[in-house]
Amino acid sequence: AQKVTQAQTEISVVEKEDVTLDCVYETRDTTYYLFWYKQPPSGELVFLIRRNSFDEQNEISGRYSWNFQKSTSSFNFTITASQVVDSAVYFCALSELRSGGSNYKLTFGKGTLLTVNP
Amino acid sequence: KAGVTQTPRYLIKTRGQQVTLSCSPISGHRSVSWYQQTPGQGLQFLFEYFSETQRNKGNFPGRFSGRQFSNSRSEMNVSTLELGDSALYLCASSPETGGTNTGELFFGEGSRLTVL
Repeated sequence: AQKVTQAQTEISVVEKEDVTLDCVYETRDTTYYLFWYKQPPSGELVFLIRRNSFDEQNEISGRYSWNFQKSTSSFNFTITASQVVDSAVYFCALSELRSGGSNYKLTFGKGTLLTVNP
Repeated sequence: KAGVTQTPRYLIKTRGQQVTLSCSPISGHRSVSWYQQTPGQGLQFLFEYFSETQRNKGNFPGRFSGRQFSNSRSEMNVSTLELGDSALYLCASSPETGGTNTGELFFGEGSRLTVL
Protein backbone atom coordinates (compact mmCIF):
# COMPACT_ATOMS: atom_id res chain seq x y z
CA ALA A 1 0.00 0.00 0.00
CA GLN A 2 1.08 3.51 -0.65
CA LYS A 3 1.82 5.89 2.17
CA VAL A 4 2.89 9.50 2.49
CA THR A 5 4.27 10.86 5.75
CA GLN A 6 4.59 14.53 6.59
CA ALA A 7 6.12 14.42 10.03
CA GLN A 8 5.81 18.15 10.65
CA THR A 9 2.27 18.92 11.72
CA GLU A 10 2.82 22.63 12.20
CA ILE A 11 5.65 25.03 11.45
CA SER A 12 5.82 28.66 12.44
CA VAL A 13 8.40 31.03 11.01
CA VAL A 14 9.01 34.73 10.80
CA GLU A 15 8.74 36.44 7.45
CA LYS A 16 11.87 36.19 5.27
CA GLU A 17 13.03 33.00 6.92
CA ASP A 18 13.60 29.93 4.75
CA VAL A 19 11.50 26.90 5.60
CA THR A 20 11.61 23.28 4.46
CA LEU A 21 8.61 20.98 4.53
CA ASP A 22 9.45 17.30 4.68
CA CYS A 23 7.74 14.48 2.80
CA VAL A 24 8.58 10.79 2.92
CA TYR A 25 6.70 8.26 0.81
CA GLU A 26 6.32 4.52 0.49
CA THR A 27 5.34 2.65 -2.66
CA ARG A 28 6.06 -0.62 -4.39
CA ASP A 29 5.53 0.93 -7.80
CA THR A 30 8.54 1.72 -9.92
CA THR A 31 6.62 4.36 -11.82
CA TYR A 32 4.77 6.97 -9.84
CA TYR A 33 4.25 10.68 -9.50
CA LEU A 34 4.75 12.97 -6.55
CA PHE A 35 2.89 16.20 -5.98
CA TRP A 36 2.75 19.17 -3.67
CA TYR A 37 -0.47 21.06 -3.11
CA LYS A 38 -1.20 24.21 -1.13
CA GLN A 39 -4.49 24.65 0.70
CA PRO A 40 -5.25 28.22 1.78
CA PRO A 41 -8.10 28.94 4.22
CA SER A 42 -10.58 29.05 1.32
CA GLY A 43 -10.26 25.27 1.08
CA GLU A 44 -9.27 24.87 -2.54
CA LEU A 45 -6.21 22.73 -3.14
CA VAL A 46 -3.76 24.53 -5.39
CA PHE A 47 -1.37 22.48 -7.47
CA LEU A 48 2.30 23.42 -7.00
CA ILE A 49 4.39 20.74 -8.66
CA ARG A 50 4.40 17.26 -10.15
CA ARG A 51 7.51 15.11 -10.35
CA ASN A 52 7.76 11.66 -11.92
CA SER A 53 9.77 8.85 -10.41
CA PHE A 54 12.37 8.89 -13.16
CA ASP A 55 13.28 12.53 -12.81
CA GLU A 56 15.36 13.27 -9.75
CA GLN A 57 16.43 16.70 -10.86
CA ASN A 58 15.74 19.36 -8.32
CA GLU A 59 13.39 22.08 -9.44
CA ILE A 60 13.20 25.74 -8.61
CA SER A 61 10.28 28.02 -9.29
CA GLY A 62 10.75 31.49 -7.91
CA ARG A 63 10.97 31.20 -4.14
CA TYR A 64 9.93 27.56 -4.23
CA SER A 65 12.28 24.61 -4.68
CA TRP A 66 11.88 20.87 -4.46
CA ASN A 67 14.41 18.18 -3.61
CA PHE A 68 13.50 14.66 -4.79
CA GLN A 69 15.70 11.82 -3.54
CA LYS A 70 14.63 8.29 -4.45
CA SER A 71 17.36 6.80 -2.27
CA THR A 72 15.64 8.14 0.83
CA SER A 73 12.09 8.20 -0.63
CA SER A 74 11.81 11.88 0.11
CA PHE A 75 10.37 14.82 -1.75
CA ASN A 76 11.04 17.93 0.31
CA PHE A 77 9.76 21.42 -0.40
CA THR A 78 11.63 24.60 0.49
CA ILE A 79 10.25 28.12 0.54
CA THR A 80 12.96 30.76 0.45
CA ALA A 81 12.38 34.15 2.03
CA SER A 82 8.92 33.20 3.26
CA GLN A 83 6.05 35.67 3.11
CA VAL A 84 2.82 35.98 5.08
CA VAL A 85 0.89 34.92 1.96
CA ASP A 86 2.66 31.56 2.13
CA SER A 87 0.66 30.70 5.24
CA ALA A 88 -1.41 27.63 4.37
CA VAL A 89 -1.57 23.89 4.77
CA TYR A 90 0.78 22.09 2.40
CA PHE A 91 0.14 18.56 1.24
CA CYS A 92 2.48 16.10 -0.33
CA ALA A 93 0.82 13.41 -2.45
CA LEU A 94 1.71 10.25 -4.33
CA SER A 95 -0.15 8.98 -7.36
CA GLU A 96 -0.97 5.39 -8.04
CA LEU A 97 -0.99 4.71 -11.73
CA ARG A 98 -3.48 2.48 -13.44
CA SER A 99 -2.50 0.27 -16.33
CA GLY A 100 -1.95 2.41 -19.38
CA GLY A 101 -0.10 4.99 -17.36
CA SER A 102 -2.79 7.49 -16.59
CA ASN A 103 -3.29 8.93 -13.18
CA TYR A 104 -5.48 6.94 -10.85
CA LYS A 105 -5.73 8.50 -7.44
CA LEU A 106 -3.69 10.51 -5.03
CA THR A 107 -2.60 9.35 -1.62
CA PHE A 108 -2.09 12.42 0.52
CA GLY A 109 0.00 13.06 3.57
CA LYS A 110 -1.70 14.60 6.60
CA GLY A 111 -0.39 18.03 5.68
CA THR A 112 1.83 20.63 7.32
CA LEU A 113 0.32 23.87 8.57
CA LEU A 114 2.76 26.66 7.81
CA THR A 115 2.29 29.97 9.57
CA VAL A 116 4.44 32.86 8.48
CA ASN A 117 4.38 35.70 10.96
CA PRO A 118 5.14 39.28 10.00
CA LYS B 1 -11.16 29.61 -17.96
CA ALA B 2 -13.54 28.80 -15.12
CA GLY B 3 -12.27 26.50 -12.40
CA VAL B 4 -13.94 23.55 -10.76
CA THR B 5 -17.26 24.61 -9.25
CA GLN B 6 -18.86 22.84 -6.33
CA THR B 7 -22.30 23.42 -4.89
CA PRO B 8 -23.46 23.92 -2.27
CA ARG B 9 -20.48 25.36 -0.43
CA TYR B 10 -21.94 24.77 3.01
CA LEU B 11 -24.77 22.62 4.26
CA ILE B 12 -26.09 21.25 7.50
CA LYS B 13 -27.96 17.97 7.76
CA THR B 14 -29.15 15.71 10.54
CA ARG B 15 -28.34 12.08 11.09
CA GLY B 16 -30.27 9.73 8.85
CA GLN B 17 -30.82 12.24 6.09
CA GLN B 18 -29.21 12.07 2.71
CA VAL B 19 -27.26 14.68 0.77
CA THR B 20 -26.30 15.31 -2.83
CA LEU B 21 -23.27 17.37 -3.77
CA SER B 22 -22.58 18.71 -7.22
CA CYS B 23 -19.38 19.34 -9.15
CA SER B 24 -18.83 21.05 -12.49
CA PRO B 25 -15.36 20.33 -13.85
CA ILE B 26 -13.17 22.60 -15.89
CA SER B 27 -14.43 22.73 -19.44
CA GLY B 28 -12.88 19.92 -21.45
CA HIS B 29 -11.93 17.83 -18.44
CA ARG B 30 -13.57 14.41 -18.55
CA SER B 31 -12.18 12.89 -15.38
CA VAL B 32 -13.76 13.85 -12.07
CA SER B 33 -12.59 12.61 -8.69
CA TRP B 34 -14.00 13.08 -5.22
CA TYR B 35 -12.09 13.30 -1.96
CA GLN B 36 -13.21 13.54 1.64
CA GLN B 37 -11.20 15.70 4.02
CA THR B 38 -11.53 15.38 7.79
CA PRO B 39 -9.23 16.52 10.61
CA GLY B 40 -8.68 12.96 11.74
CA GLN B 41 -8.30 11.03 8.49
CA GLY B 42 -7.02 13.79 6.25
CA LEU B 43 -7.72 13.60 2.53
CA GLN B 44 -9.12 10.30 1.36
CA PHE B 45 -10.06 9.19 -2.15
CA LEU B 46 -13.74 8.44 -2.64
CA PHE B 47 -14.16 7.64 -6.33
CA GLU B 48 -13.31 8.70 -9.85
CA TYR B 49 -15.47 9.01 -12.94
CA PHE B 50 -14.57 9.18 -16.58
CA SER B 51 -17.04 9.34 -19.45
CA GLU B 52 -19.97 8.61 -17.15
CA THR B 53 -18.33 5.45 -15.76
CA GLN B 54 -16.95 4.92 -12.30
CA ARG B 55 -13.38 3.81 -12.87
CA ASN B 56 -12.21 3.47 -9.31
CA LYS B 57 -13.56 3.56 -5.80
CA GLY B 58 -11.92 4.13 -2.46
CA ASN B 59 -12.60 2.32 0.80
CA PHE B 60 -15.90 3.88 1.73
CA PRO B 61 -19.20 2.16 2.55
CA GLY B 62 -21.96 1.80 0.00
CA ARG B 63 -23.75 4.81 1.49
CA PHE B 64 -21.36 6.88 -0.60
CA SER B 65 -22.19 6.88 -4.27
CA GLY B 66 -21.76 9.08 -7.28
CA ARG B 67 -22.44 9.52 -10.92
CA GLN B 68 -21.27 11.51 -13.88
CA PHE B 69 -23.36 13.02 -16.62
CA SER B 70 -22.67 13.29 -20.33
CA ASN B 71 -21.45 16.87 -19.87
CA SER B 72 -18.89 15.58 -17.32
CA ARG B 73 -20.67 17.19 -14.39
CA SER B 74 -20.68 14.90 -11.40
CA GLU B 75 -22.74 14.39 -8.28
CA MET B 76 -22.03 12.44 -5.16
CA ASN B 77 -24.63 11.22 -2.73
CA VAL B 78 -24.37 10.16 0.86
CA SER B 79 -27.35 8.34 2.31
CA THR B 80 -28.25 7.71 5.93
CA LEU B 81 -25.87 10.35 7.17
CA GLU B 82 -23.76 9.71 10.24
CA LEU B 83 -21.99 12.20 12.47
CA GLY B 84 -18.67 10.99 11.10
CA ASP B 85 -19.63 12.07 7.60
CA SER B 86 -19.07 15.68 8.59
CA ALA B 87 -16.25 16.75 6.33
CA LEU B 88 -15.09 18.90 3.47
CA TYR B 89 -15.86 17.11 0.22
CA LEU B 90 -13.52 18.10 -2.56
CA CYS B 91 -14.05 17.52 -6.23
CA ALA B 92 -11.20 17.54 -8.71
CA SER B 93 -11.08 17.39 -12.47
CA SER B 94 -8.24 16.24 -14.62
CA PRO B 95 -7.40 16.81 -18.27
CA GLU B 96 -7.45 13.09 -18.89
CA THR B 97 -6.83 12.42 -22.55
CA GLY B 98 -7.30 8.71 -22.59
CA GLY B 99 -4.46 6.59 -21.35
CA THR B 100 -1.29 8.58 -21.18
CA ASN B 101 -2.11 11.66 -19.21
CA THR B 102 -0.72 11.72 -15.71
CA GLY B 103 -1.69 15.30 -15.22
CA GLU B 104 -2.40 17.07 -12.00
CA LEU B 105 -5.83 17.36 -10.43
CA PHE B 106 -7.57 20.72 -10.31
CA PHE B 107 -9.63 21.05 -7.16
CA GLY B 108 -12.73 23.01 -6.34
CA GLU B 109 -13.21 24.84 -3.05
CA GLY B 110 -15.25 22.01 -1.64
CA SER B 111 -18.61 21.46 -0.02
CA ARG B 112 -18.49 21.59 3.75
CA LEU B 113 -21.02 19.19 5.23
CA THR B 114 -21.98 19.27 8.88
CA VAL B 115 -24.07 16.43 10.25
CA LEU B 116 -25.87 17.11 13.53
